Amino acid sequence: DGGITQSPKYLFRKEGQNVTLSCEQNLNHDAMYWYRQDPGQGLRLIYYSQIVNDFQKGDIAEGYSVSREKKESFPLTVTSAQKNPTAFYLCASSILDVLNNQPQHFGDGTRLSIL
Amino acid sequence: ILNVEQSPQSLHVQEGDSTNFTCSFPSSNFYALHWYRWETAKSPEALFVMTLNGDEKKKGRISATLNTKEGYSYLYIKGSQPEDSATYLCASNILTGGGNKLTFGTGTQLKVEL
Repeated sequence: DGGITQSPKYLFRKEGQNVTLSCEQNLNHDAMYWYRQDPGQGLRLIYYSQIVNDFQKGDIAEGYSVSREKKESFPLTVTSAQKNPTAFYLCASSILDVLNNQPQHFGDGTRLSIL
Repeated sequence: ILNVEQSPQSLHVQEGDSTNFTCSFPSSNFYALHWYRWETAKSPEALFVMTLNGDEKKKGRISATLNTKEGYSYLYIKGSQPEDSATYLCASNILTGGGNKLTFGTGTQLKVEL
């Protein structure tokens, strides 16, 4: 089945440690996105990419890094510089969409907690 | 309105009731309004993407309307069923210094009881 796979489902980070969240899609979508959800808040955009080897910062990019070496993969690294990383992270993809009129397809999410 | 706002925050209805909720968004530089359904332990699923003022879309018992001039959209569910229980998210583009990106509301959590 076509879709988006995020792994792991749950992740624990020690203080000062970098961790990487995986996102893979087989929908042949050009655009991919990373969102963060905190209690009582809407999904907030961390990074997005519209083409391989290119990506842009979203609203809350500080403390995060991404890469887009392959069309189907868009991993997110939560660095030690992110002081409040505990959250639920969602990855999404869509047909290339500069006007935001294409629906986004989401993965099941990764819940990150600090030990 | 500078953000995307949804109301109510939560809603409890009885099976068979019809219900509706609201999404408010900035009307300037509007491009699109998205509705998603997010069931517990699943991933958000796209319901509608609406772009034109006066647009109405329907999917089974769920429908949505769009008013881009005043910056609001309504989502209606007719004859609610327990399987409609979910959080309903709306998102609209907001032009920022970083470009044209979707901004999500906090969602309306719907619980349909037997």
